[in-house]
Amino acid sequence: QQQVKQSPQSLIVQKGGIPIINCAYENTAFDYFPWYQQFPGKGPALLIAIRPDVSEKKEGRFTISFNKSAKQFSLHIMDSQPGDSATYFCAATKETSGSRLTFGEGTQLTVNP
Amino acid sequence: KAGVTQTPRYLIKTRGQQVTLSCSPISGHRSVSWYQQTPGQGLQFLFEYFSETQRNKGNFPGRFSGRQFSNSRSEMNVSTLELGDSALYLCASSGGLALISFRTDEQFFGPGTRLTVL
Repeated sequence: QQQVKQSPQSLIVQKGGIPIINCAYENTAFDYFPWYQQFPGKGPALLIAIRPDVSEKKEGRFTISFNKSAKQFSLHIMDSQPGDSATYFCAATKETSGSRLTFGEGTQLTVNP
Repeated sequence: KAGVTQTPRYLIKTRGQQVTLSCSPISGHRSVSWYQQTPGQGLQFLFEYFSETQRNKGNFPGRFSGRQFSNSRSEMNVSTLELGDSALYLCASSGGLALISFRTDEQFFGPGTRLTVL
Protein backbone atom coordinates (compact mmCIF):
# COMPACT_ATOMS: atom_id res chain seq x y z
CA GLN A 1 0.00 0.00 0.00
CA GLN A 2 2.96 2.30 0.55
CA GLN A 3 4.75 1.61 -2.75
CA VAL A 4 5.51 4.03 -5.52
CA LYS A 5 6.66 2.36 -8.74
CA GLN A 6 8.81 4.33 -11.16
CA SER A 7 9.86 3.64 -14.75
CA PRO A 8 12.03 3.50 -16.70
CA GLN A 9 15.09 2.70 -14.62
CA SER A 10 17.32 4.52 -17.10
CA LEU A 11 16.74 6.80 -20.05
CA ILE A 12 19.01 8.23 -22.73
CA VAL A 13 17.88 11.10 -24.96
CA GLN A 14 19.48 13.56 -27.31
CA LYS A 15 19.71 17.24 -26.45
CA GLY A 16 16.38 18.88 -27.18
CA GLY A 17 14.44 15.67 -26.66
CA ILE A 18 11.56 15.25 -24.19
CA PRO A 19 12.27 12.52 -21.65
CA ILE A 20 9.21 11.21 -19.83
CA ILE A 21 9.40 9.45 -16.46
CA ASN A 22 6.37 7.65 -15.11
CA CYS A 23 5.24 6.79 -11.59
CA ALA A 24 2.32 4.85 -10.19
CA TYR A 25 1.15 4.71 -6.60
CA GLU A 26 -1.13 2.43 -4.64
CA ASN A 27 -2.08 4.34 -1.52
CA THR A 28 -5.09 6.54 -2.29
CA ALA A 29 -4.38 8.52 0.87
CA PHE A 30 -1.35 10.12 -0.80
CA ASP A 31 -2.11 13.73 -1.64
CA TYR A 32 1.21 15.38 -2.44
CA PHE A 33 3.56 14.23 -5.19
CA PRO A 34 7.00 15.85 -5.48
CA TRP A 35 9.79 15.12 -7.93
CA TYR A 36 13.42 15.28 -6.87
CA GLN A 37 16.60 15.64 -8.91
CA GLN A 38 19.86 14.20 -7.62
CA PHE A 39 23.34 14.78 -8.98
CA PRO A 40 26.27 12.51 -8.03
CA GLY A 41 27.61 13.35 -4.59
CA LYS A 42 24.64 15.53 -3.73
CA GLY A 43 21.41 15.06 -1.88
CA PRO A 44 18.09 15.13 -3.75
CA ALA A 45 16.68 18.58 -4.53
CA LEU A 46 13.01 19.37 -5.00
CA LEU A 47 12.23 20.04 -8.66
CA ILE A 48 8.47 20.40 -8.86
CA ALA A 49 5.45 19.08 -6.97
CA ILE A 50 1.76 18.59 -7.59
CA ARG A 51 -1.38 18.03 -5.56
CA PRO A 52 -4.24 15.89 -6.96
CA ASP A 53 -6.63 18.81 -7.37
CA VAL A 54 -4.88 19.70 -10.67
CA SER A 55 -4.04 17.51 -13.66
CA GLU A 56 -0.94 19.37 -14.81
CA LYS A 57 1.66 21.71 -13.44
CA LYS A 58 4.48 23.47 -15.30
CA GLU A 59 7.58 25.10 -13.93
CA GLY A 60 10.01 26.22 -16.57
CA ARG A 61 10.93 23.23 -18.72
CA PHE A 62 9.49 20.73 -16.23
CA THR A 63 5.89 19.53 -16.37
CA ILE A 64 4.03 17.08 -14.14
CA SER A 65 0.96 15.33 -15.52
CA PHE A 66 -1.34 13.74 -12.94
CA ASN A 67 -4.06 11.14 -13.50
CA LYS A 68 -5.91 10.61 -10.24
CA SER A 69 -8.22 7.84 -11.47
CA ALA A 70 -5.28 5.81 -12.77
CA LYS A 71 -3.12 6.68 -9.75
CA GLN A 72 -0.31 7.71 -12.07
CA PHE A 73 1.81 10.78 -12.57
CA SER A 74 4.66 11.63 -14.87
CA LEU A 75 7.47 14.13 -15.35
CA HIS A 76 8.21 15.64 -18.75
CA ILE A 77 11.38 17.62 -19.39
CA MET A 78 11.02 19.90 -22.38
CA ASP A 79 14.05 20.84 -24.51
CA SER A 80 16.32 18.65 -22.39
CA GLN A 81 19.93 19.73 -21.91
CA PRO A 82 23.10 17.81 -20.97
CA GLY A 83 22.96 19.60 -17.61
CA ASP A 84 19.69 17.77 -16.90
CA SER A 85 21.62 14.49 -16.73
CA ALA A 86 20.88 13.27 -13.21
CA THR A 87 18.81 10.75 -11.29
CA TYR A 88 15.16 11.66 -10.89
CA PHE A 89 12.94 10.39 -8.12
CA CYS A 90 9.21 10.66 -7.81
CA ALA A 91 7.75 10.61 -4.32
CA ALA A 92 4.42 10.67 -2.56
CA THR A 93 3.15 11.52 0.87
CA LYS A 94 0.03 12.27 2.83
CA GLU A 95 0.21 15.93 3.76
CA THR A 96 -0.86 15.42 7.34
CA SER A 97 1.77 12.73 7.92
CA GLY A 98 4.56 15.19 8.53
CA SER A 99 7.64 14.87 6.38
CA ARG A 100 7.54 11.16 5.54
CA LEU A 101 8.13 10.66 1.80
CA THR A 102 7.73 7.38 -0.08
CA PHE A 103 10.11 7.40 -3.05
CA GLY A 104 10.09 5.65 -6.38
CA GLU A 105 13.11 3.62 -7.41
CA GLY A 106 14.71 6.42 -9.43
CA THR A 107 15.45 7.03 -13.12
CA GLN A 108 18.95 7.75 -14.33
CA LEU A 109 18.62 10.25 -17.17
CA THR A 110 21.42 10.91 -19.64
CA VAL A 111 21.06 13.74 -22.14
CA ASN A 112 23.62 13.48 -24.92
CA PRO A 113 24.89 16.67 -26.56
CA LYS B 1 21.15 30.75 4.21
CA ALA B 2 23.45 27.84 4.86
CA GLY B 3 22.16 24.48 3.69
CA VAL B 4 21.78 21.23 5.56
CA THR B 5 25.10 20.04 6.93
CA GLN B 6 25.94 16.40 7.57
CA THR B 7 29.02 15.08 9.29
CA PRO B 8 31.06 13.10 8.68
CA ARG B 9 30.76 12.82 4.91
CA TYR B 10 32.42 9.42 4.76
CA LEU B 11 32.75 6.70 7.36
CA ILE B 12 34.17 3.18 7.36
CA LYS B 13 33.21 0.80 10.15
CA THR B 14 33.38 -2.94 10.75
CA ARG B 15 30.54 -5.31 11.52
CA GLY B 16 29.35 -5.18 15.09
CA GLN B 17 30.48 -1.62 15.71
CA GLN B 18 28.13 1.27 16.25
CA VAL B 19 28.07 4.64 14.49
CA THR B 20 26.64 8.09 15.10
CA LEU B 21 25.85 10.47 12.27
CA SER B 22 25.10 14.15 12.70
CA CYS B 23 22.82 16.56 10.88
CA SER B 24 22.51 20.33 11.27
CA PRO B 25 19.31 21.61 9.64
CA ILE B 26 18.77 24.92 7.95
CA SER B 27 18.51 27.70 10.51
CA GLY B 28 14.93 28.02 11.71
CA HIS B 29 13.84 24.58 10.54
CA ARG B 30 12.32 22.42 13.25
CA SER B 31 11.85 19.12 11.43
CA VAL B 32 14.65 16.72 10.57
CA SER B 33 14.06 13.51 8.64
CA TRP B 34 16.52 10.72 7.94
CA TYR B 35 16.59 8.50 4.86
CA GLN B 36 18.73 5.55 3.83
CA GLN B 37 19.71 5.35 0.16
CA THR B 38 21.01 2.11 -1.35
CA PRO B 39 21.21 0.91 -4.97
CA GLY B 40 18.92 -2.00 -4.20
CA GLN B 41 16.26 -0.43 -2.00
CA GLY B 42 16.42 3.18 -3.15
CA LEU B 43 15.48 5.92 -0.73
CA GLN B 44 13.78 4.69 2.40
CA PHE B 45 12.42 6.77 5.26
CA LEU B 46 14.00 6.09 8.64
CA PHE B 47 12.40 8.58 11.01
CA GLU B 48 11.45 12.21 11.53
CA TYR B 49 12.03 14.43 14.51
CA PHE B 50 10.13 17.61 15.25
CA SER B 51 10.82 19.77 18.29
CA GLU B 52 12.92 17.00 19.90
CA THR B 53 10.14 14.40 19.51
CA GLN B 54 10.02 11.52 17.05
CA ARG B 55 6.76 11.94 15.14
CA ASN B 56 7.25 9.43 12.31
CA LYS B 57 9.11 6.17 12.07
CA GLY B 58 9.84 3.93 9.09
CA ASN B 59 10.18 0.17 8.98
CA PHE B 60 13.71 -0.24 10.23
CA PRO B 61 14.90 -2.42 13.12
CA GLY B 62 15.49 -1.00 16.56
CA ARG B 63 19.24 -0.87 15.88
CA PHE B 64 18.47 2.40 14.11
CA SER B 65 17.69 5.23 16.48
CA GLY B 66 17.85 8.97 16.52
CA ARG B 67 17.39 12.05 18.59
CA GLN B 68 17.00 15.76 18.18
CA PHE B 69 18.42 18.49 20.34
CA SER B 70 16.86 21.76 21.41
CA ASN B 71 18.74 23.60 18.64
CA SER B 72 17.12 21.20 16.10
CA ARG B 73 20.38 19.44 15.33
CA SER B 74 19.84 15.71 15.01
CA GLU B 75 21.87 12.57 15.36
CA MET B 76 21.14 9.07 14.21
CA ASN B 77 22.78 6.02 15.68
CA VAL B 78 23.14 2.54 14.27
CA SER B 79 24.23 -0.14 16.69
CA THR B 80 25.65 -3.57 15.90
CA LEU B 81 26.41 -2.70 12.31
CA GLU B 82 25.71 -5.22 9.56
CA LEU B 83 27.12 -5.35 6.05
CA GLY B 84 23.69 -4.41 4.70
CA ASP B 85 23.82 -1.11 6.56
CA SER B 86 26.31 0.20 4.02
CA ALA B 87 24.47 3.10 2.42
CA LEU B 88 24.23 6.81 1.91
CA TYR B 89 22.38 8.30 4.88
CA LEU B 90 20.56 11.48 4.00
CA CYS B 91 19.17 14.06 6.33
CA ALA B 92 16.44 16.49 5.26
CA SER B 93 15.16 19.52 7.08
CA SER B 94 11.94 21.44 6.75
CA GLY B 95 9.97 24.04 8.62
CA GLY B 96 7.99 21.15 10.01
CA LEU B 97 4.68 22.93 10.12
CA ALA B 98 2.86 20.39 7.92
CA LEU B 99 0.66 19.15 10.72
CA ILE B 100 -0.44 22.68 11.47
CA SER B 101 -0.90 24.12 8.03
CA PHE B 102 -1.83 20.86 6.30
CA ARG B 103 0.50 21.86 3.52
CA THR B 104 3.66 19.84 3.15
CA ASP B 105 6.77 21.90 3.71
CA GLU B 106 9.56 21.57 1.20
CA GLN B 107 12.31 19.30 2.46
CA PHE B 108 15.91 20.30 1.86
CA PHE B 109 18.37 17.43 1.74
CA GLY B 110 21.96 17.44 2.88
CA PRO B 111 24.76 15.81 0.86
CA GLY B 112 24.62 12.66 2.98
CA THR B 113 27.04 10.51 4.93
CA ARG B 114 28.45 7.56 3.01
CA LEU B 115 28.74 4.66 5.46
CA THR B 116 30.71 1.58 4.49
CA VAL B 117 30.55 -1.47 6.73
CA LEU B 118 33.34 -4.01 6.26
